[in-house]
Amino acid sequence: DTEVTQTPKHLVMGMTNKKSLKCEQHMGHRAMYWYKQKAKKPPELMFVYSYEKLSINESVPSRFSPECPNSSLLNLHLHALQPEDSALYLCASSRTGGNTIYFGEGSWLTVV
Amino acid sequence: DAKTTQPNSMESNEEEPVHLPCNHSTISGTDYIHWYRQLPSQGPEYVIHGLTSNVNNRMASLAIAEDRKSSTLILHRATLRDAAVYYCILRDDSNYQLIWGAGTKLIIKP
Repeated sequence: DTEVTQTPKHLVMGMTNKKSLKCEQHMGHRAMYWYKQKAKKPPELMFVYSYEKLSINESVPSRFSPECPNSSLLNLHLHALQPEDSALYLCASSRTGGNTIYFGEGSWLTVV
Repeated sequence: DAKTTQPNSMESNEEEPVHLPCNHSTISGTDYIHWYRQLPSQGPEYVIHGLTSNVNNRMASLAIAEDRKSSTLILHRATLRDAAVYYCILRDDSNYQLIWGAGTKLIIKP
């Protein structure tokens, strides 16, 4: 069982909607990640938070807005998405400097 | 930039060993070699990692070539539950970036 919990598992949203994806971990990890994965492709890194501060933004469009309210929670706020943003969004966490990254099961997003 | 190359798919019989190859000819001295697998409808799961020496854990073994330009993930006795996409990944120890291969889809035949 994964120790990184993502909600919701499935989300359908219109292009004018505002929604959020949520992620939670209680392993004491201080690095948290958002990845995007399209079908039959490896995950692509979007954002990295280290000690609740954004440390990596892989040139992600501003319609994706990450937030790290505390060391256990990570959100991804979605606004004015495009159909091509439909994908599996994976949250992950690790110890800073740690070698193992723990992934959640992902949130399947469909933009209509 | 470093990259990894893996076969698109492999088939193996149940209860037989499986050797999954990965080429990473442009690996740098600080890159760790990681393997993750992704079962259908799940997030990736850590399998094993190493730097220079061969590594063993309860899931698998990792054999690293002496020049580090290739590696092989070994599943000693494949089961149907091992059917997944296996990713060979390079990770620079100095940052959070993972360089993912395209993945090998492992098919296990009963």
